[in-house]
Amino acid sequence: AQSVTQLGSHVSVSEGALVLLRCNYSSSVPPYLFWYVQYPNQGLQLLLKYTTGATLVKGINGFEAEFKKSETSFHLTKPSAHMSDAAEYFCAVSDLTGANSKLTFGKGITLSVRP
Amino acid sequence: DAGITQSPRHKVTETGTPVTLRCHQTENHRYMYWYRQDPGHGLRLIHYSYGVKDTDKGEVSDGYSVSRSKTEDFLLTLESATSSQTSVYFCAISLGGRNQPQHFGDGTRLSIL
Repeated sequence: AQSVTQLGSHVSVSEGALVLLRCNYSSSVPPYLFWYVQYPNQGLQLLLKYTTGATLVKGINGFEAEFKKSETSFHLTKPSAHMSDAAEYFCAVSDLTGANSKLTFGKGITLSVRP
Repeated sequence: DAGITQSPRHKVTETGTPVTLRCHQTENHRYMYWYRQDPGHGLRLIHYSYGVKDTDKGEVSDGYSVSRSKTEDFLLTLESATSSQTSVYFCAISLGGRNQPQHFGDGTRLSIL
Protein backbone atom coordinates (compact mmCIF):
# COMPACT_ATOMS: atom_id res chain seq x y z
CA ALA A 1 0.00 0.00 0.00
CA GLN A 2 1.04 3.56 -0.58
CA SER A 3 1.88 5.93 2.30
CA VAL A 4 2.82 9.55 2.83
CA THR A 5 5.01 11.09 5.51
CA GLN A 6 4.91 14.76 6.35
CA LEU A 7 7.54 15.37 9.00
CA GLY A 8 6.60 17.83 11.70
CA SER A 9 3.16 19.25 12.29
CA HIS A 10 3.94 22.94 12.20
CA VAL A 11 6.20 25.26 10.21
CA SER A 12 6.61 28.97 10.91
CA VAL A 13 8.19 31.43 8.49
CA SER A 14 8.48 35.19 8.19
CA GLU A 15 6.58 37.03 5.52
CA GLY A 16 8.76 37.14 2.41
CA ALA A 17 10.79 34.08 3.41
CA LEU A 18 11.04 30.81 1.54
CA VAL A 19 8.37 28.23 2.28
CA LEU A 20 9.46 24.58 2.25
CA LEU A 21 7.01 21.85 3.24
CA ARG A 22 8.33 18.32 3.04
CA CYS A 23 6.56 15.23 1.76
CA ASN A 24 7.98 11.76 1.33
CA TYR A 25 6.01 8.90 -0.12
CA SER A 26 6.19 5.16 -0.27
CA SER A 27 5.00 3.43 -3.41
CA SER A 28 5.90 0.24 -5.21
CA VAL A 29 5.02 1.76 -8.58
CA PRO A 30 5.42 5.24 -10.08
CA PRO A 31 3.20 7.43 -7.95
CA TYR A 32 0.71 10.13 -8.71
CA LEU A 33 1.13 12.89 -6.11
CA PHE A 34 -0.98 15.81 -4.97
CA TRP A 35 -0.72 18.81 -2.65
CA TYR A 36 -3.82 20.32 -1.10
CA VAL A 37 -4.34 23.42 1.05
CA GLN A 38 -7.01 23.87 3.70
CA TYR A 39 -7.96 27.27 5.05
CA PRO A 40 -9.82 27.49 8.37
CA ASN A 41 -13.36 26.15 8.26
CA GLN A 42 -13.07 25.17 4.62
CA GLY A 43 -12.56 22.02 2.60
CA LEU A 44 -9.35 21.01 0.88
CA GLN A 45 -8.36 22.82 -2.29
CA LEU A 46 -6.01 21.34 -4.88
CA LEU A 47 -2.70 23.23 -5.14
CA LEU A 48 -0.95 21.07 -7.71
CA LYS A 49 -0.47 17.53 -8.93
CA TYR A 50 2.21 15.33 -10.46
CA THR A 51 1.18 12.51 -12.74
CA THR A 52 3.74 12.06 -15.50
CA GLY A 53 6.11 14.27 -17.48
CA ALA A 54 7.91 17.29 -16.06
CA THR A 55 9.09 16.70 -12.52
CA LEU A 56 8.78 20.35 -11.50
CA VAL A 57 5.12 21.14 -11.18
CA LYS A 58 3.67 24.61 -10.79
CA GLY A 59 0.47 25.22 -8.97
CA ILE A 60 -1.78 27.99 -7.82
CA ASN A 61 -0.79 30.90 -5.56
CA GLY A 62 2.89 30.72 -6.58
CA PHE A 63 3.53 27.25 -5.17
CA GLU A 64 5.52 24.58 -6.91
CA ALA A 65 6.73 21.08 -6.11
CA GLU A 66 9.44 18.85 -7.47
CA PHE A 67 9.10 15.11 -7.84
CA LYS A 68 12.35 13.36 -6.99
CA LYS A 69 12.13 9.65 -7.55
CA SER A 70 15.56 8.89 -6.08
CA GLU A 71 14.58 10.59 -2.84
CA THR A 72 10.91 9.48 -2.91
CA SER A 73 10.04 13.11 -2.22
CA PHE A 74 7.57 15.70 -3.41
CA HIS A 75 8.40 18.82 -1.40
CA LEU A 76 6.30 21.96 -1.76
CA THR A 77 7.97 25.35 -2.07
CA LYS A 78 7.15 29.01 -2.51
CA PRO A 79 9.90 31.61 -2.87
CA SER A 80 8.24 34.31 -0.81
CA ALA A 81 5.63 33.67 1.86
CA HIS A 82 2.56 35.85 2.14
CA MET A 83 0.32 36.23 5.16
CA SER A 84 -2.50 34.67 3.16
CA ASP A 85 -0.49 31.42 2.85
CA ALA A 86 -1.18 30.58 6.49
CA ALA A 87 -3.14 27.33 6.30
CA GLU A 88 -2.83 23.57 6.63
CA TYR A 89 -1.17 21.68 3.80
CA PHE A 90 -1.67 18.04 2.90
CA CYS A 91 0.34 15.80 0.63
CA ALA A 92 -1.42 12.80 -0.93
CA VAL A 93 -0.53 9.82 -3.10
CA SER A 94 -2.89 7.91 -5.34
CA ASP A 95 -3.73 4.32 -4.59
CA LEU A 96 -2.31 2.10 -7.28
CA THR A 97 -3.10 -1.27 -5.75
CA GLY A 98 -6.73 -1.51 -6.66
CA ALA A 99 -9.06 -0.90 -9.55
CA ASN A 100 -10.72 2.02 -7.83
CA SER A 101 -9.52 5.54 -7.38
CA LYS A 102 -8.41 6.49 -3.86
CA LEU A 103 -5.95 8.85 -2.21
CA THR A 104 -3.82 8.34 0.88
CA PHE A 105 -3.16 11.58 2.75
CA GLY A 106 -0.35 12.64 5.04
CA LYS A 107 -1.23 14.02 8.47
CA GLY A 108 -0.82 17.60 7.31
CA ILE A 109 1.44 20.53 8.17
CA THR A 110 0.23 23.83 9.57
CA LEU A 111 2.02 26.82 8.06
CA SER A 112 2.18 30.03 10.08
CA VAL A 113 3.45 33.27 8.55
CA ARG A 114 4.89 35.93 10.86
CA PRO A 115 4.64 39.62 9.92
CA ASP B 1 -15.36 25.60 -7.04
CA ALA B 2 -16.66 22.10 -7.60
CA GLY B 3 -20.41 21.87 -7.13
CA ILE B 4 -20.46 19.98 -3.84
CA THR B 5 -22.90 20.71 -1.06
CA GLN B 6 -22.73 19.07 2.34
CA SER B 7 -25.63 19.20 4.75
CA PRO B 8 -25.96 19.96 7.52
CA ARG B 9 -22.85 22.08 8.04
CA HIS B 10 -23.05 21.77 11.81
CA LYS B 11 -24.83 19.28 14.02
CA VAL B 12 -24.89 18.50 17.71
CA THR B 13 -26.55 15.32 18.85
CA GLU B 14 -26.54 12.81 21.67
CA THR B 15 -24.89 9.44 22.00
CA GLY B 16 -27.01 6.62 20.65
CA THR B 17 -29.00 8.66 18.16
CA PRO B 18 -28.88 8.01 14.42
CA VAL B 19 -27.28 10.67 12.23
CA THR B 20 -27.29 11.06 8.46
CA LEU B 21 -25.01 13.41 6.56
CA ARG B 22 -25.69 14.27 2.96
CA CYS B 23 -23.36 15.06 0.11
CA HIS B 24 -24.84 16.44 -3.10
CA GLN B 25 -22.87 17.08 -6.30
CA THR B 26 -23.81 18.80 -9.53
CA GLU B 27 -20.73 17.65 -11.48
CA ASN B 28 -21.90 14.15 -12.48
CA HIS B 29 -18.64 12.68 -11.17
CA ARG B 30 -18.54 8.92 -10.86
CA TYR B 31 -16.62 8.69 -7.59
CA MET B 32 -17.71 10.05 -4.21
CA TYR B 33 -15.93 9.74 -0.89
CA TRP B 34 -16.52 10.33 2.81
CA TYR B 35 -13.60 11.27 5.06
CA ARG B 36 -13.26 12.25 8.65
CA GLN B 37 -10.65 14.75 9.82
CA ASP B 38 -9.26 14.65 13.33
CA PRO B 39 -6.26 16.47 14.83
CA GLY B 40 -3.09 14.46 14.40
CA HIS B 41 -4.69 12.01 11.98
CA GLY B 42 -5.14 14.02 8.81
CA LEU B 43 -7.93 12.74 6.59
CA ARG B 44 -9.06 9.16 6.88
CA LEU B 45 -11.32 7.48 4.35
CA ILE B 46 -14.57 6.09 5.73
CA HIS B 47 -16.38 4.80 2.65
CA TYR B 48 -16.41 5.56 -1.02
CA SER B 49 -18.63 4.96 -4.02
CA TYR B 50 -17.69 4.22 -7.61
CA GLY B 51 -21.20 4.36 -9.00
CA VAL B 52 -24.86 4.16 -8.12
CA LYS B 53 -25.33 1.39 -5.56
CA ASP B 54 -21.58 0.58 -5.73
CA THR B 55 -19.77 1.30 -2.49
CA ASP B 56 -16.76 0.03 -0.60
CA LYS B 57 -15.15 0.44 2.80
CA GLY B 58 -12.26 2.69 3.66
CA GLU B 59 -9.82 2.44 6.54
CA VAL B 60 -12.20 3.61 9.30
CA SER B 61 -15.58 2.21 8.27
CA ASP B 62 -16.70 0.63 11.55
CA GLY B 63 -19.86 2.29 12.85
CA TYR B 64 -20.68 3.93 9.53
CA SER B 65 -22.83 2.97 6.56
CA VAL B 66 -23.39 4.68 3.22
CA SER B 67 -25.87 4.69 0.40
CA ARG B 68 -25.87 6.04 -3.12
CA SER B 69 -29.20 5.71 -4.94
CA LYS B 70 -28.52 8.54 -7.37
CA THR B 71 -25.34 9.77 -9.03
CA GLU B 72 -25.59 13.13 -7.31
CA ASP B 73 -26.20 12.03 -3.71
CA PHE B 74 -24.03 10.12 -1.26
CA LEU B 75 -25.32 9.62 2.27
CA LEU B 76 -23.28 8.77 5.35
CA THR B 77 -25.16 7.27 8.29
CA LEU B 78 -24.08 6.75 11.86
CA GLU B 79 -26.61 4.17 13.06
CA SER B 80 -25.93 4.83 16.75
CA ALA B 81 -23.61 7.76 17.25
CA THR B 82 -20.78 7.56 19.78
CA SER B 83 -18.58 10.30 21.20
CA SER B 84 -15.60 8.90 19.26
CA GLN B 85 -17.41 9.88 16.07
CA THR B 86 -17.21 13.55 16.95
CA SER B 87 -15.26 14.93 14.02
CA VAL B 88 -15.33 17.04 10.90
CA TYR B 89 -16.65 15.07 7.94
CA PHE B 90 -15.72 15.86 4.37
CA CYS B 91 -17.23 14.67 1.15
CA ALA B 92 -15.14 14.56 -2.01
CA ILE B 93 -15.79 13.76 -5.65
CA SER B 94 -13.61 12.62 -8.51
CA LEU B 95 -13.90 11.71 -12.15
CA GLY B 96 -12.01 8.53 -11.31
CA GLY B 97 -8.69 7.42 -12.69
CA ARG B 98 -5.50 7.51 -10.69
CA ASN B 99 -4.35 10.82 -12.18
CA GLN B 100 -7.52 12.64 -11.23
CA PRO B 101 -7.65 14.83 -8.13
CA GLN B 102 -10.48 14.80 -5.65
CA HIS B 103 -12.55 17.91 -5.04
CA PHE B 104 -13.85 18.59 -1.57
CA GLY B 105 -16.94 20.02 0.04
CA ASP B 106 -16.78 22.48 2.93
CA GLY B 107 -17.33 19.86 5.61
CA THR B 108 -19.82 19.02 8.34
CA ARG B 109 -18.82 19.60 11.94
CA LEU B 110 -20.47 16.88 14.04
CA SER B 111 -20.45 16.90 17.82
CA ILE B 112 -21.78 13.93 19.76
CA LEU B 113 -22.40 14.56 23.43
